[in-house]
Order: sequence, then structure tokens, then C-alpha cells
Amino acid sequence: GIQVEQSPPDLILQEGANSTLRCNFSDSVNNLQWFHQNPWGQLINLFYIPSGTKQNGRLSATTVATERYSLLYISSSQTTDSGVYFCAVVDNAGNMLTFGGGTRLMVKP
Amino acid sequence: GAGVSQSPSNKVTEKGKDVELRCDPISGHTALYWYRQSLGQGLEFLIYFQGNSAPDKSGLPSDRFSAERTGGSVSTLTIQRTQQEDSAVYLCASSLGQWGEQFFGPGTRLTVL
Repeated sequence: GIQVEQSPPDLILQEGANSTLRCNFSDSVNNLQWFHQNPWGQLINLFYIPSGTKQNGRLSATTVATERYSLLYISSSQTTDSGVYFCAVVDNAGNMLTFGGGTRLMVKP
Repeated sequence: GAGVSQSPSNKVTEKGKDVELRCDPISGHTALYWYRQSLGQGLEFLIYFQGNSAPDKSGLPSDRFSAERTGGSVSTLTIQRTQQEDSAVYLCASSLGQWGEQFFGPGTRLTVL
């Protein structure tokens, strides 16, 4: 099946800093989503982005499908951004999301 | 409600007992998915429904796990003869179509003693 790798696995930022999270995948995809899992375990949808670029406030994402990677940008980070960020994809053969291992982000005040 | 709901939010059971977990998808979403997340791990796929049929059961870990969906809406995941390794958070998601954006419920935390 498709492989999804995220980097870095852990990230510590000072409040106000910017960061880039990366997601590499091993095959063509029909769906790519970024999620933020908050400390209570809820998965919050950030972006549905199988290709192209989207922005939502301080967050933006870019997926380059031909090169099989996606990037999530967080600008002016806040302590409430802390948590685990997951990238997940649906490949051409399937229908379920395959998740990467996540990036655990801690933003310090 | 506007989002995916799941019940119960927490379930503690004894090894060997059966449990039923419920998922209410977003109204109008035809596709429904079950995943589970073990402590500190990523999410693994269990089963996918399109309408009431389950074309993909490939993620069910054993024959102790089963799921059904009725009326193209509510789904129940049943685990028979629970084992300690079944302890995890069970998450349900729904989407408009097969490859649409998936939205997750808050999960059911299952603890098997």
C-alpha cells in the first residue's frame, strides 16, 4: 500500500515563530488532508488539498502531486497550535485515509 | 447535529465481554469509515461503508470485529470477546463521496481490563 512519511517527527517553537511541516507519499493520490489533533484527541480538519495551494488565516498548504509531497506552513505560531499534525492520503486504488506518523508540535510562550 | 457524533465517549469493559460502538455521520454523507488509534500511535483503517454496504473490510483485525450500517446513516462497530490489545480510541469519519473530504467524530475511548 501507499506509504506516508512526515517530518520532522517533533518540533518545538517559540511563540511567534514560523514553521514548515512536510508530508511525502509514495504513489498518486485522490485525496490529501491535513489534520490537527488537539490535546483532547479531536481531529480537526485543516485542509483538503490533493493538489495546489490553499490558505486559511495563519496556515497555508501546498501539494505538489507530481512530486508526491505536501507542505503545511504555520506562521506566527501560538501556544494553541500545539498538538499533533497529521497528513493523510487516499490512493487511486482505495478509499480509506492512510495516515503519516504525525508531527508533534509544541509552541512555548 | 452539524458534525459526526459517536457514543459512548468512554467505555471500560472486562476482557471477554462484547462491546458496541455507535457512529452518527453528517447528514447526507454516503461514505462512512471506522479507524482506530492506539496510544501514541497513528490511525489505522478498519472498515469503509458506501451506503449500507461495506466494500472494504480489509482493515478489520480479526473475526471478532464486525460492523453494520442501516438506513445509510448510523453505524455500529461490534467487538466480541474483547481483548486487552483492543484498547484504543475508535474514530468514525464520514464524507460526501468515496474520495471526498473526511470529517471525524470525537471518538470512543475503549479500555479493556
